[in-house]
Amino acid sequence: ETGVTQTPRHLVMGMTNKKSLKCEQHLGHNAMYWYKQSAKKPLELMFVYSLEERVENNSVPSRFSPECPNSSHLFLHLHTLQPEDSALYLCASSRESGVSYNEQFFGPGTRLTVL
Amino acid sequence: AQSVTQLGSHVSVSEGALVLLRCNYSSSVPPYLFWYVQYPNQGLQLLLKYTSAATLVKGINGFEAEFKKSETSFHLTKPSAHMSDAAEYFCAVSFQGAQKLVFGQGTRLTINP
Repeated sequence: ETGVTQTPRHLVMGMTNKKSLKCEQHLGHNAMYWYKQSAKKPLELMFVYSLEERVENNSVPSRFSPECPNSSHLFLHLHTLQPEDSALYLCASSRESGVSYNEQFFGPGTRLTVL
Repeated sequence: AQSVTQLGSHVSVSEGALVLLRCNYSSSVPPYLFWYVQYPNQGLQLLLKYTSAATLVKGINGFEAEFKKSETSFHLTKPSAHMSDAAEYFCAVSFQGAQKLVFGQGTRLTINP
């Protein structure tokens, strides 16, 4: 595997389910990101992890719970979601801040549908 | 604070015509600028980036962009559109030491045969 991978690519869940999205990067990066992309809305940054520590949480509801066990893996745990949470969830990675610029590499996304 | 404005949420051109996608930024410090492309049901792919070297930047698939500080712009161009260029394009800004990118709202490019 190369680049940034995400599984599953598609997920349908009910509002009472618990599921997890997985992201893995094979680029030797140490910063990882979750974004939400909804139809007709700009990309929304949800969480940022740098060196496995959460450095940003953009007022995301607690029904979304991120986990970064190491610099290569990032999870987004989902529980009691709402239909408006249906979206494409994108993961990205980059070299840690302190370098001159922040070029992010994106995975293909997980298309989530909440019924 | 940094921000990005993409003029036109939807641009339509004929195959073979010039493609021009507009991006203006606001930044209180020297910016780093990026263009990403997103094909249907895929993630974002980097097209090109400006990192304070040459102001005219060439990217993949024949695209290029010019950084114009006086106009706070970083417009994306391609001389001749191809059907495969149909996609959503995002402009983004960052600055030295920043942990995140600030994205524009995106421009959907349609190519007419």
